[in-house]
Order: sequence, then structure tokens, then C-alpha cells
Amino acid sequence: EVVMAQSPATLSVSPGERAALSCRASQSLSINLAWYQQRLGQAPRLLIYGASIRATGIPARFSGSGSGTEFTLTISSLQSEDFAVYYCQQYNDWPRTFGQGTKVEIK
Amino acid sequence: QVLLVQSEPEVKKPGASVKVSCKASNYTFSDYGVTWVRQAPGQGPEWMGWISPYNGKTDYAQKFQGRVTITTDTSTNTAYMELRSLRSDDTAMYYCARDPRTSYLDYWGQGTLVTVSS
Repeated sequence: EVVMAQSPATLSVSPGERAALSCRASQSLSINLAWYQQRLGQAPRLLIYGASIRATGIPARFSGSGSGTEFTLTISSLQSEDFAVYYCQQYNDWPRTFGQGTKVEIK
Repeated sequence: QVLLVQSEPEVKKPGASVKVSCKASNYTFSDYGVTWVRQAPGQGPEWMGWISPYNGKTDYAQKFQGRVTITTDTSTNTAYMELRSLRSDDTAMYYCARDPRTSYLDYWGQGTLVTVSS
């Protein structure tokens, strides 16, 4: 199965700063990658699909880039509600697999 | 708005089975797949399987083959996930999610906590 590696495990950022989260796949995914945000005690929420397409209602400060095996989620200016755990998920191959997550915490 | 409402938490003994439901509303149920994902405490999500309500086609992660069954009832717009021969490491939050193209998951249920303990 495709192994998804996210880095860093934890990212400490001040409000208003930019955050860049990395996701690496063990084989090429083309652009078949999604990003999710999970706040404490809540279900995951879709942010990005197709590597760079924002889901409905997602603010423009969230952007995704990359293709093949290297992907990045960028949050341009962190707001208080953005401190959460972020997961990438591949849907290029079966079974679908998720990364272990990056926790974005307040610095 | 799209809603997926799951059943209440469950506590089961090792060796038992659990069946979790997921009732969908505010969209055409047969037009979208339903995926089940679980998340153990402090871990990332784990994809378990998928079903097409349109034709009943399923696909399961090999890890769960033979132990999980996903079904739908199109008369009530409800999906079900049954997991058998429960073990303590099956303790997790179980989520259903809408799956537009056997791909990403655009709407999620609130989750159902399944605790396996003797």
C-alpha cells in the first residue's frame, strides 16, 4: 500500500504567520491527494482535493501544491481557528491511505 | 446542508460484533459512495472500506477482509458498517464519510466511539 509521510510532526507557529506542511508519498500519486483539518474532538474536514483545489467554503488562506510524490499545504496567515491537526490522504491507489498528521500549535 | 448522522457509542466485549449506522440526508444517496474510516486514540485515520449505494459494490482494506461488512439501505438512506471478532485494538472512533468519486471525502459523520473491553 502507499505510505504517506507527513512532516514535521508538530509545527509551532505564531498567529498571523505562514505555515507550510509537507506530505510525501511512497509512489507517484499524480494529483490524487487531499488534505483534511481535524480540530480537537471533531471529525476531519476536507480542505483541499486534487492536490490544489479548495473545497467548498474553505478560506483562500489555505492552498495546496505539488504532484507526484511531494505535496505541500500552506496556510498563509494563521488564525486562531487554524490550530489543529492536518492529514493528507491519497486516492490514487487502493486501499486509500492517510498520513500520521501534522499538529499545528500556537508558538 | 449535507448531513451524516451516526449511531450512539458502543461498548463491546472481545469476540463480539458491532454494527454502526450512518443516516444521510439532503442529497441523493445513490449518487455518492460511502466510505468508513476509523481513528484510534492519538493516531491518524485508517481507511476501512467503501460502498456504492447505487449498485452495492464494495471494496475493503485487506487488513479488514473477512471481518468487516459494509451495506446500505437505500429505502432509508442509511449505510452500515459491521465489524466482527472484536479485539481491544479495535477500540477507536469510527466515521462514515461521503465519497464523490471513490476518492476524497467531502462530508463526514460525527463519529461513533466503539470501545472493546472485557
